[in-house]
Amino acid sequence: DADVTQTPRNRITKTGKRIMLECSQTKGHDRMYWYRQDPGLGLRLIYYSFDVKDINKGEISDGYSVSRQAQAKFSLSLESAIPNQTALYFCATSEGQGAITEAFFGQGTRLTVV
Amino acid sequence: QKEVEQNSGPLSVPEGAIASLNCTYSDRGSQSFFWYRQYSGKSPELIMFIYSNGDKEDGRFTAQLNKASQYVSLLIRDSQPSDSATYLCAVNAAGNKLTFGGGTRVLVKP
Repeated sequence: DADVTQTPRNRITKTGKRIMLECSQTKGHDRMYWYRQDPGLGLRLIYYSFDVKDINKGEISDGYSVSRQAQAKFSLSLESAIPNQTALYFCATSEGQGAITEAFFGQGTRLTVV
Repeated sequence: QKEVEQNSGPLSVPEGAIASLNCTYSDRGSQSFFWYRQYSGKSPELIMFIYSNGDKEDGRFTAQLNKASQYVSLLIRDSQPSDSATYLCAVNAAGNKLTFGGGTRVLVKP
């Protein structure tokens, strides 16, 4: 089993619908991240959390919200999906100690908003 | 100015040649630097990290860091067709969050 698991792997939804992407990890890491990837734009940070009580906005948080339900779970919600939120979404985790924070990624969720 | 910048490419190199990728960053307080490889539609996977000025070698890969000039580079020696991918530079920037560049697409031609 993957250390960082994202569900669903693929999703097609309609404009205006609420959708939740889920991420769970078995690595025991404190830090979790949600990134969005669009062609040619690399990974852009949406939200990140350094522990259960800590939630921080990334560079493109508008239109998204998150919930850190437990150390191992970090969910991303689109309250009212719009077509330009069509993208590949990655969850990642890293350890909470020190400056060398290698990130471990989930398999990705391909979201299409029609 | 973007926090982490990379040339988007594609960088086309013949098989067996050296591929040279560059990355610049804006936050002088950045402490650690990562190179990830990503195949199309797949998750990024770590190639190597570096946190001290100078060179770090791992197999066919060498990372170079120059904090004074705020750049980090990756050399791929003896490039193989399997090295064709997008290479992402990531920086442990302000607030200890990981910030990625846009990636450089590398094409290795047999």
